[in-house]
Amino acid sequence: DADVTQTPRNRITKTGKRIMLECSQTKGHDRMYWYRQDPGLGLQLIYYSFDVKDINKGEISDGYSVSRQAQAKFSLSLESAIPNQTALYFCATSGGTSTNTGELFFGEGSRLTVL
Amino acid sequence: KQEVTQIPAALSVPEGENLVLNCSFTDSAIYNLQWFRQDPGKGLTSLLLIQSSQREQTSGRLNASLDKSSGRSTLYIAASQPGDSATYLCAVRTGNQFYFGTGTSLTVIP
Repeated sequence: DADVTQTPRNRITKTGKRIMLECSQTKGHDRMYWYRQDPGLGLQLIYYSFDVKDINKGEISDGYSVSRQAQAKFSLSLESAIPNQTALYFCATSGGTSTNTGELFFGEGSRLTVL
Repeated sequence: KQEVTQIPAALSVPEGENLVLNCSFTDSAIYNLQWFRQDPGKGLTSLLLIQSSQREQTSGRLNASLDKSSGRSTLYIAASQPGDSATYLCAVRTGNQFYFGTGTSLTVIP
């Protein structure tokens, strides 16, 4: 099984619908991240969390929300999806820098299409 | 803010050639640098991780170097194969944030 699992892997929805993307990890990491990738562009940080009680906005958080249900679970929601949110979404995890290599691990991605 | 640049954006080489991919960053106060491979529409697979105190890391035909003072890293691929065709991204960690380049799309021609 993958260390970082994202569901669903593919989703097609309509404008205005609420969508949730889920991420779970077995790495035992505290830090979890949600990124968005558009063709030809780099990865953009949406939200990140350093523990269950710590949630932080990234550079493109507008239109998105997150929930850290447990150390291993971090969900991304689009409250009212719009077509320009069509993209490939990645969840990632890392350990801290004090006792860990600080390596970043990615899930396989969730492709979202908003019609 | 840390800025990461990868040049060229695309590279095409014949099979068997040795090649070098480049990554540059503006702030040398990094914790580590990571190289990833991404196949079309797929996730990012970690290839090599170099800590800030290290100069290079090797894995099979891959060798990554790091020169923090000049803000540069290179990924050397020896004896390239068609299966190496993918996009290669570098990422630097500064504090608890990661900054990504936009990648180099590599095509190895049989």
